[in-house]
Amino acid sequence: DAGVIQSPRHEVTEMGQEVTLRCKPISGHDYLFWYRQTMMRGLELLIYFNNNVPIDDSGMPEDRFSAKMPNASFSTLKIQPSEPRDSAVYFCASSLFGGAYEQYFGPGTRLTVT
Amino acid sequence: AQSVTQLDSQVPVFEEAPVELRCNYSSSVSVYLFWYVQYPNQGLQLLLKYLSGSTLVKGINGFEAEFNKSQTSFHLRKPSVHISDTAEYFCAVSDWDGNKLVFGAGTILRVKS
Repeated sequence: DAGVIQSPRHEVTEMGQEVTLRCKPISGHDYLFWYRQTMMRGLELLIYFNNNVPIDDSGMPEDRFSAKMPNASFSTLKIQPSEPRDSAVYFCASSLFGGAYEQYFGPGTRLTVT
Repeated sequence: AQSVTQLDSQVPVFEEAPVELRCNYSSSVSVYLFWYVQYPNQGLQLLLKYLSGSTLVKGINGFEAEFNKSQTSFHLRKPSVHISDTAEYFCAVSDWDGNKLVFGAGTILRVKS
């Protein structure tokens, strides 16, 4: 398997623009996680899905952020409108069963909002 | 919610020396514990995990960790480090719902020749 795939790897956008990050989890994994990594706040869980259903979105910072998982092989994280403080590396991870099972991380998307 | 404290933000060490990266977590109830490693410009990958059983857990690349319930610690050790071990290491604990992980702030291990 190719592992977790994220696109784009780098995104530079201007404040106020819409940004869409994409993730393809490992086939057969039932859990998908979106994380944000910054120097100030470290690695934060934004939202996770089980069988395409959002289970916990308590980490989503505000209404400007939304995430969807229309099918088992694709998820998006959207920021609209983007702000400079959204600049971070966003990781997607998938897991076979969640919890005690290993999470496999994608390479991340480095987002810069100017 | 659970919390994880990694006591050292950076640990410099010479090649072939032993190293210990410290991790403490907040709960005394049953938890799952993990160590992940992040190399520059990459995602995290699992080094090892503790679910139950033996308190000494062995992982990849010669790393091991010891679970200490009374001290709520899960320190990571390696008897002899290599330059290639230079990376950031994250301790994580499962949260109450059993599916989420709470990560520590990370420890940057710098191995010098």
